[in-house]
Amino acid sequence: QVQLQESGPGLVKPSGTLSLTCAVSGGSISSNNWWSWVRQPPGKGLEWIGEIYHSGSTNYNPSLKSRVTISVDKSKNQHSLNLSSVTAADTAVYYCARALVYMPGGSYFDYWGQGTLVTVSS
Amino acid sequence: SYELTQPPSVSVSPGQTARITCSGDALPKQYAYWYQQKPGQAPVVMIYKDSERPSGIPERFSGSSSGTTVTLTISGVQAEDEADYYCQSGDSSNKVFGGGTKLTVL
Repeated sequence: QVQLQESGPGLVKPSGTLSLTCAVSGGSISSNNWWSWVRQPPGKGLEWIGEIYHSGSTNYNPSLKSRVTISVDKSKNQHSLNLSSVTAADTAVYYCARALVYMPGGSYFDYWGQGTLVTVSS
Repeated sequence: SYELTQPPSVSVSPGQTARITCSGDALPKQYAYWYQQKPGQAPVVMIYKDSERPSGIPERFSGSSSGTTVTLTISGVQAEDEADYYCQSGDSSNKVFGGGTKLTVL
């Protein structure tokens, strides 16, 4: 059973950088899956942020691409999210999720972390 | 980039059938996925590849696709099905969620 656990500061100052880590257990981050970040502002819907493959290949939401970096650490079986120049609009619950590859070019989120609330405020 | 449009809310009585739609110009070319999210919990996938049901998902949940619209159908709705439902689609380099639909069981 794959388990994902987000960790990182719950409070970030405006203009700062939001940094979160997702620890993967019960499975290898080097498996044929993508590892994603999804966020949800309080009371609002889901927004895909981006994803990484164990090779280091990444895809990002075009609306966030200029501020997002996702990296992978295979030795620690974890991946990380950095979001720069944050504002109050970046306040959200941040989830890490596994995107199961069920066919070439096809994937869906089958395992999710519990989510962590990050508030942007001075 | 593209958008997926869902109705904000759907209401149904227990035992009836709920249908939640999701519209988007890219849906004829890309598969859709459906997630259920209950308050304070992470989403759970209910349907993948338009109409496939992952193991462990009740048979009352089904999905269909027609042109630019995909539909999640819940037959014989139960009180426990009250939740937010999100459609999601995308290609190999981008993923998009719909705005979500709150299903209320009356």
